[in-house]
Amino acid sequence: KAGVTQTPRYLIKTRGQQVTLSCSPISGHRSVSWYQQTPGQGLQFLFEYFSETQRNKGNFPGRFSGRQFSNSRSEMNVSTLELGDSALYLCASRRREGTDTQYFGPGTRLTVL
Amino acid sequence: AQKVTQAQTEISVVEKEDVTLDCVYETRDTTYYLFWYKQPPSGELVFLIRRNSFDEQNEISGRYSWNFQKSTSSFNFTITASQVVDSAVYFCALSEARNQGGKLIFGQGTELSVKP
Repeated sequence: KAGVTQTPRYLIKTRGQQVTLSCSPISGHRSVSWYQQTPGQGLQFLFEYFSETQRNKGNFPGRFSGRQFSNSRSEMNVSTLELGDSALYLCASRRREGTDTQYFGPGTRLTVL
Repeated sequence: AQKVTQAQTEISVVEKEDVTLDCVYETRDTTYYLFWYKQPPSGELVFLIRRNSFDEQNEISGRYSWNFQKSTSSFNFTITASQVVDSAVYFCALSEARNQGGKLIFGQGTELSVKP
């Protein structure tokens, strides 16, 4: 079974621009979560979607948003990019809510210049 | 408040040595889940193990073993006879039932370097 896929793998943007990252979960998985990883803050939870509804949200500004489609694929959008948004963005999927384990994709490396 | 602490930032060992990675957690939930993930240089987080709060049984998988102790809020990970391929950053994580387990709280990670 194919794992979690994320596109693009690398991205370079300039301050003030916006960016959209995409995540395709493992087949049959209905929950998708997003995390930001930076050297200073480590791994931080952004939000989780299940059946097209946001279930949990982390402590990030409103510039960070997401959505999930009926096929469980998810997108994350960051508007008005700041230098501090440079990070590895990781997507994870799990079959359902509850105790299911989250499986991670390879991440998208975003650089903001 | 929920928190995961991995006090060891970096560990360096020589191949075939045993190494233990420490993890201490804080939570107010009575039902929670603990995880270990491995992050090789490629960046992808690889799932290693999950334990439920009501199951304190320790687990062994090949060279890997995990010691879960609720009394000390610890979930330590031991690699026996380490190998160069074990070199990676290891993360301990916590999720709580009140979030339906969807929000993982990570420790800062322990970078393990295994030298030949």
